[in-house]
Amino acid sequence: DQQVKQNSPSLSVQEGRISILNCDYTNSMFDYFLWYKKYPAEGPTFLISISSIKDKNEDGRFTVFLNKSAKHLSLHIVPSQPGDSAVYFCAAWRGNQFYFGTGTSLTVIP
Amino acid sequence: ETGVTQTPRHLVMGMTNKKSLKCEQHLGHNAMYWYKQSAKKPLELMFVYSLEERVENNSVPSRFSPECPNSSHLFLHLHTLQPEDSALYLCASSQDLGFLYGYTFGSGTRLTVV
Repeated sequence: DQQVKQNSPSLSVQEGRISILNCDYTNSMFDYFLWYKKYPAEGPTFLISISSIKDKNEDGRFTVFLNKSAKHLSLHIVPSQPGDSAVYFCAAWRGNQFYFGTGTSLTVIP
Repeated sequence: ETGVTQTPRHLVMGMTNKKSLKCEQHLGHNAMYWYKQSAKKPLELMFVYSLEERVENNSVPSRFSPECPNSSHLFLHLHTLQPEDSALYLCASSQDLGFLYGYTFGSGTRLTVV
């Protein structure tokens, strides 16, 4: 049973606008969340994280929001740039492993 | 350069073949992982090694056999695979088990079983 879900397989956004990527999870015991970014032919790279005791974490153009009551995580990219075009995975930590979503492919249109 | 190197990048093998995937990290990390990524599925954790000892085996079939001869190298030995084993196999490392600041992934080996 998939515990971390990314229901949008793809997203297209105009350059300069906001990109919002969403992630839902089912297990309230997750206590740490990350976003990874993956370019074609490369491995995923760590982007940003958030602890379950927080509801927001910001790093430059990237902000992650956590809504624990809704079991929902989102990544905001503002402003979006063509170099942000990639697949974005959310991951949740419990016990001794990460549980990953299936990814959302973001295309930023120049 | 990610610090985690996987070879080969692509592999095509028959169901009766024996092959090995190699992973090498130069980051001084103590934990290493094998993940499988199938089309339209999330990354699935296969094996976890910490200080060269296997600490996790996520119900992986015995046709996949991991080996960790030292903290820098990790292998995945493959034999009598099935077509459904075709996937992207990713190696990752982290400072220690339970390191929450993310893993460093390699670029993966794209495996096709024919």
